[in-house]
Amino acid sequence: SQQGEEDPQALSIQEGENATMNCSYKTSINNLQWYRQNSGRGLVHLILIRSNEREKHSGRLRVTLDTSKKSSSLLITASRAADTASYFCATDAAGTGANSKLTFGKGITLSVRP
Amino acid sequence: SAVISQKPSRDICQRGTSLTIQCQVDSQVTMMFWYRQQPGQSLTLIATANQGSEATYESGFVIDKFPISRPNLTFSTLTVSNMSPEDSSIYLCSVARTRGEGFSTEAFFGQGTRLTVV
Repeated sequence: SQQGEEDPQALSIQEGENATMNCSYKTSINNLQWYRQNSGRGLVHLILIRSNEREKHSGRLRVTLDTSKKSSSLLITASRAADTASYFCATDAAGTGANSKLTFGKGITLSVRP
Repeated sequence: SAVISQKPSRDICQRGTSLTIQCQVDSQVTMMFWYRQQPGQSLTLIATANQGSEATYESGFVIDKFPISRPNLTFSTLTVSNMSPEDSSIYLCSVARTRGEGFSTEAFFGQGTRLTVV
């Protein structure tokens, strides 16, 4: 069943602007991750935030996690045309171990206009 | 990290035929995962491929339709059998790696196989 629900489903911004994408989930999680997918190809891992973390940065990416609201946000600052892609949140609800199955949200399509 | 080679990258197939997708990983992994992504949709897990045992299928997916092989720790195949246009999707293989003291799972993906059934 679908765990993550992202919003908005589609986002169009101008190059240089910031893009904020949100994800909500339903059950307790071990961690939440964000992935990017270009043109229907394989997904690329962007950033992971554990359930005991509230904010994390990686380059132009900033992710927040609010476990009380069961929600996360991904902020891309100073967006570039190359950031145009679909973005998915995924939750790891199994607790521990390499065999945890990730549950993916529906995805957000981000278009960055040059 | 893990480097995953998946082929074919795309195919157009006639209904009623079968297609086998191959997935090669650059290192040994216990489990490999097969996902389906229908047009404009998210990823749905088809099955988990275990080396040395039967694959574990998710609800709505059966072995007769999606047989999986896992002959060793670096390779797996997924076959889409008796295809219909509804099987037109992107199929992705994936492996998971733990990282950090919390044993968080991070997924690595092949480039996907875009299947069109006509």
